[in-house]
Amino acid sequence: GAGVSQSPSNKVTEKGKDVELRCDPISGHTALYWYRQSLGQGLEFLIYFQGNSAPDKSGLPSDRFSAERTGGSVSTLTIQRTQQEDSAVYLCASSLVLRGTSGRVEQYFGPGTRLTVT
Amino acid sequence: SQKIEQNSEALNIQEGKTATLTCNYTNYSPAYLQWYRQDPGRGPVFLLLIRENEKEKRKERLKVTFDTTLKQSLFHITASQPADSATYLCALGGYSSASKIIFGSGTRLSIRP
Repeated sequence: GAGVSQSPSNKVTEKGKDVELRCDPISGHTALYWYRQSLGQGLEFLIYFQGNSAPDKSGLPSDRFSAERTGGSVSTLTIQRTQQEDSAVYLCASSLVLRGTSGRVEQYFGPGTRLTVT
Repeated sequence: SQKIEQNSEALNIQEGKTATLTCNYTNYSPAYLQWYRQDPGRGPVFLLLIRENEKEKRKERLKVTFDTTLKQSLFHITASQPADSATYLCALGGYSSASKIIFGSGTRLSIRP
């Protein structure tokens, strides 16, 4: 079946512009994560959506970052007034997490969006 | 705060030998631990999950141990091959479905022929 898809695959933007990154998770997956990965670094947690619960936004680095998940499926990560330090690969992952249990919690990652702020 | 540590230095292993990677954590009592493989330019791919009440898990040439007293997991690749060269990430998860999964920074493994 189809995996997690992300678009665009690459995005070059000028400092100060807003960008939107899109994630299409695997159909039926209840959990969706956004991570940021700088060159040669690990994954930095940004935000976690689980079903209809309020998202865990504890990883968002500033109020310039926001994310939505519409209809429990597609998610959009928005970065306003981009800065050069926002340059990184933004990864989305989805998993099937059943309420009250750990469920099948392995994450399936998309290919990422490489964001370059000039 | 919760912290996961993986050896930041690259690990270079001769083909055929066993590669052992370490994941240590502090200030956390995870329900499970996962290992992922990441190739350059791609997203991580899930390999193995081990739960807090399990000591060891195996899958083909892979073996994972989990010591909740030492707060450590070891990831072994036996009979290593150049195709095993990649970055390996460990990740921890909690008991609740509301718990987010947190990742270590990864260890780069190179298997030389």
